[in-house]
Amino acid sequence: KAGVTQTPRYLIKTRGQQVTLSCSPISGHRSVSWYQQTPGQGLQFLFEYFSETQRNKGNFPGRFSGRQFSNSRSEMNVSTLELGDSALYLCASSSLQGAGNEQFFGPGTRLTVL
Amino acid sequence: GESVGLHLPTLSVQEGDNSIINCAYSNSASDYFIWYKQESGKGPQFIIDIRSNMDKRQGQRVTVLLNKTVKHLSLQIAATQPGDSAVYFCAESTSGTYKYIFGTGTRLKVLA
Repeated sequence: KAGVTQTPRYLIKTRGQQVTLSCSPISGHRSVSWYQQTPGQGLQFLFEYFSETQRNKGNFPGRFSGRQFSNSRSEMNVSTLELGDSALYLCASSSLQGAGNEQFFGPGTRLTVL
Repeated sequence: GESVGLHLPTLSVQEGDNSIINCAYSNSASDYFIWYKQESGKGPQFIIDIRSNMDKRQGQRVTVLLNKTVKHLSLQIAATQPGDSAVYFCAESTSGTYKYIFGTGTRLKVLA
């Protein structure tokens, strides 16, 4: 079974631009979560989707948004990029509906904002 | 490789010794916990999980202990190997919230 895939793996943008990151969950997994990882803040929860519905959102500004498609693939978008958005963005998928289930992570997308 | 955390607490152990990594969690309502291992340049990898109705769970070379009274979680790695060198995170979750809260992480260094 293929794991969680994320594209692109590396991205360089400049301040003010926007970016879209993509995540394909493990086949059969319907829950997708996104996290931001930085050396200073660690792993911070962004949002979680299940069957195209966002069920929870972390404490991030509205510039961070996401969506999930009917095939469970998910995208996250960051608009008006700031230097502080430079981070590793991780996607995780889970097979079951509720929390309290094993999450499998992708390799992440390394975003650098110049 | 990419740096997961520049100022993480570090645990150094001799190869072959047992390692114990500790984690204090924040929410007394949390009922599910996971330990993850993250190697440089990779996403976190699931190691072992435990639900709040248990206080101990064993896997292959790993044991997780949960003390709900003091909101403490620990990961024990038996016979630590060089391949165990990584950053280890605990994560907590509460049913119905659909989110995980991660600890700050501990870097494990295995000395040959």
